[in-house]
Amino acid sequence: ETGVTQTPRHLVMGMTNKKSLKCEQHLGHNAMYWYKQSAKKPLELMFVYNFKEQTENNSVPSRFSPECPNSSHLFLHLHTLQPEDSALYLCASSPGQQETQYFGPGTRLLVL
Amino acid sequence: EDQVTQSPEALRLQEGESSSLNCSYTVSGLRGLFWYRQDPGKGPEFLFTLYSAGEEKEKERLKATLTKKESFLHITAPKPEDSATYLCAVQPNMDTGRRALTFGSGTRLQVQP
Repeated sequence: ETGVTQTPRHLVMGMTNKKSLKCEQHLGHNAMYWYKQSAKKPLELMFVYNFKEQTENNSVPSRFSPECPNSSHLFLHLHTLQPEDSALYLCASSPGQQETQYFGPGTRLLVL
Repeated sequence: EDQVTQSPEALRLQEGESSSLNCSYTVSGLRGLFWYRQDPGKGPEFLFTLYSAGEEKEKERLKATLTKKESFLHITAPKPEDSATYLCAVQPNMDTGRRALTFGSGTRLQVQP
């Protein structure tokens, strides 16, 4: 595997389910990010991690819970989501926080 | 607050018909301006980073330029495979205390054979 990978690529969940999104980067980067991309809206930054420490939380509802066990892996734990949370969730990584970000393919989430 | 406005929202070109996409921005201190390409259902693919006014970068049929208020992505003799959404983003410098990228809404380009 090269670059930034995300699993699953597609996810359908009910509002009472609990699921997790996984991101892994094979680039040796130190910073990782979660973004949300909704139809016809700009990418919205959700969380930033640098050397496993969370450095930014962009006022994200608590039903989204990130986890970064090491610099290569990033998770987004989901619970009691709402239909308006349906979107493409993108993970990105960069060598440092002020450097070019490289994106994964995204997870397409549908909340019923 | 950082702002990025991209125009046009959508652009349809004939193969070989050159054009330019615009990215206007306001940021209190610019560290970098980024261009990405995004195909439907996929993540953004990095194209260019520009750091200072007057800088230009090229890759195949694409050329990105930067002024103090805007950036242009010039597409010369486009091919159907250049069809995608092109995203622009700005990153403030460290002096501002902010690190996050601010993205525009993108320009959806369609190149017809």
